[in-house]
Amino acid sequence: GDSVTQMEGPVTLSEEAFLTINCTYTATGYPSLFWYVQYPGEGLQLLLKATKADDKGSNKGFEATYRKETTSFHLEKGSVQVSDSAVYFCALRGGNQFYFGTGTSLTVIP
Amino acid sequence: KAGVTQTPRYLIKTRGQQVTLSCSPISGHRSVSWYQQTPGQGLQFLFEYFSETQRNKGNFPGRFSGRQFSNSRSEMNVSTLELGDSALYLCASRWGREPAGQETQYFGPGTRLLVL
Repeated sequence: GDSVTQMEGPVTLSEEAFLTINCTYTATGYPSLFWYVQYPGEGLQLLLKATKADDKGSNKGFEATYRKETTSFHLEKGSVQVSDSAVYFCALRGGNQFYFGTGTSLTVIP
Repeated sequence: KAGVTQTPRYLIKTRGQQVTLSCSPISGHRSVSWYQQTPGQGLQFLFEYFSETQRNKGNFPGRFSGRQFSNSRSEMNVSTLELGDSALYLCASRWGREPAGQETQYFGPGTRLLVL
């Protein structure tokens, strides 16, 4: 069945460091791919999405490119800030359901 | 436009009791999905309702049930609570008839349930 595997955390970075959170997926057909972010005590917020191969989603300095050949959707940011500290979830929409990764906790220290 | 709201935000119950959680979707959205979030399992899909009908169901026991009203508000019920039901329960809404590839869910803040 469809599934998402994302990089285990937690991840701790210094402010202004480069961030990569790996996400790979297994799906039949052509799923839409998403990154969601969850700040402490809150629900999930959509960060970015891509709906077809080679699409690049971007928002708030974060980017992810839909790579069909490697079945990946890695999240990147060139310079993280303390305010980016949160849990990040990779997700796909396949068939008639959404599938989520287990989440990667990011802490950015000043 | 107001976001997805969930009530209550926090709940403490004891084993064997039952609980009802409520979710009000974004205005105009007709699809409501429920998820259970736990540290070990991440987000697990419970079910989706669209226009008062259950459209999709995850792999949870029959103790977990839901319904949706004509105004798209949804409730989730868990009967005979077990310790393992302690979790954050998230509700997500969307229009429900988006073109394929355009489906995007919007999440509420969740209800944190603690079973003692």
